[in-house]
Amino acid sequence: DAGVTQSPTHLIKTRGQHVTLRCSPISGHKSVSWYQQVLGQGPQFIFQYYEKEERGRGNFPDRFSARQFPNYSSELNVNALLLGDSALYLCASSFSSGSLNEQYFGPGTRLTVT
Amino acid sequence: QKEVEQNSGPLSVPEGAIASLNCTYSDRGSQSFFWYRQYSGKSPELIMFIYSNGDKEDGRFTAQLNKASQYVSLLIRDSQPSDSATYLCAVNMQDRGGYNKLIFGAGTRLAVHP
Repeated sequence: DAGVTQSPTHLIKTRGQHVTLRCSPISGHKSVSWYQQVLGQGPQFIFQYYEKEERGRGNFPDRFSARQFPNYSSELNVNALLLGDSALYLCASSFSSGSLNEQYFGPGTRLTVT
Repeated sequence: QKEVEQNSGPLSVPEGAIASLNCTYSDRGSQSFFWYRQYSGKSPELIMFIYSNGDKEDGRFTAQLNKASQYVSLLIRDSQPSDSATYLCAVNMQDRGGYNKLIFGAGTRLAVHP
């Protein structure tokens, strides 16, 4: 079975622009979580979606938004990009949104904001 | 106090030795604990999860959990140079809305030398 897929792999944007990142979960998984990882730190939780509903939000500004589609794939949108948004954006897939659910990561999208 | 704390390392061990990685967490209500391995430039890979107090073994890996002490560890037996990576401890915590989120430590860098 295919694992979690993300697109694009790399992206370079300019300050003030908007970006959309995409994720497809493992087949059969209904929950997608998004994380931001900057160099030297662990991933930071941004959002979790389950059955198309938001099931948690981390401490990120409203410039960050996400949604989940009927086929359980997901998009992360970031508006008005800042230099500090440069990071590896990770999508993780799990069967459901409960605490006893293992999350499996995709390869990530590396975003560079110049 | 950080929610999940790990020593940043590097932890240097000789090939064939036991590597011991430690993690403490702040939320007494946490129920699930995960260890991820992350190679440089790659995304995190789930290697172990543990939900109950005690030890859980999988091949060369043993996860240990002590909820009373809010402590979780990972032992790697017969360490190999290919085990050299950053090991991330992740703890599931509930936010005020009752939603689950995975909180990561900053990771411990392990270096196994021949």
